Amino acid sequence: GQQVMQIPQYQHVQEGEDFTTYCNSSTTLSNIQWYKQRPGGHPVFLIQLVKSGEVKKQKRLTFQFGEAKKNSSLHITATQTTDVGTYFCAGKSGGSNYKLTFGKGTLLTVNP
Amino acid sequence: EAGVTQFPSHSVIEKGQTVTLRCDPISGHDNLYWYRRVMGKEIKFLLHFVKESKQDESGMPNNRFLAERTGGTYSTLKVQPAELEDSGVYFCASSPTGVSPLHFGNGTRLTVT
Repeated sequence: GQQVMQIPQYQHVQEGEDFTTYCNSSTTLSNIQWYKQRPGGHPVFLIQLVKSGEVKKQKRLTFQFGEAKKNSSLHITATQTTDVGTYFCAGKSGGSNYKLTFGKGTLLTVNP
Repeated sequence: EAGVTQFPSHSVIEKGQTVTLRCDPISGHDNLYWYRRVMGKEIKFLLHFVKESKQDESGMPNNRFLAERTGGTYSTLKVQPAELEDSGVYFCASSPTGVSPLHFGNGTRLTVT
């Protein structure tokens, strides 16, 4: 079945440093979504990428979808303590299958 | 707009007992999903309802798990009898369409001892 690999599993940074998490799918995706889960909270939708090579920005966050639509990345510039949490990528394989396959997530901690 | 609500937030039961989790989706969301996260692992898909119909239940681990969504509103997920490996956080999510992003509830943390 479809698998989504996400690295790294953990990342600890000093406030102000950059952070990147990567996702790689075993199959071509119709779209990829990113979610953030704060400690003790639930996953919250951040963004969806649909087009090959798509790049989207949200303030200090930059999301990319690979040309082959099998990989994606999330980059945070100049991290802040409010960025702490687990970032999940989740992909859909397309067709009538609406199920999202999640990566294991990257837990980001930020030292002030 | 009220979010997705789940009850209970925590449940501790003994192996062999029965537990029923409840999810109230956002009003008007026809699509309802159940996911489970075991400690340190990915959020795994369990099943997907469209209104009251099961669209995809390929992620249900075994026949000890039964999900229902009578009337197409709230949903329940029953585990009977519970086993140790069923421990984890059970998330419910809803969306207006099958291609919309998911709105997650706060989850039910289930501990089977």
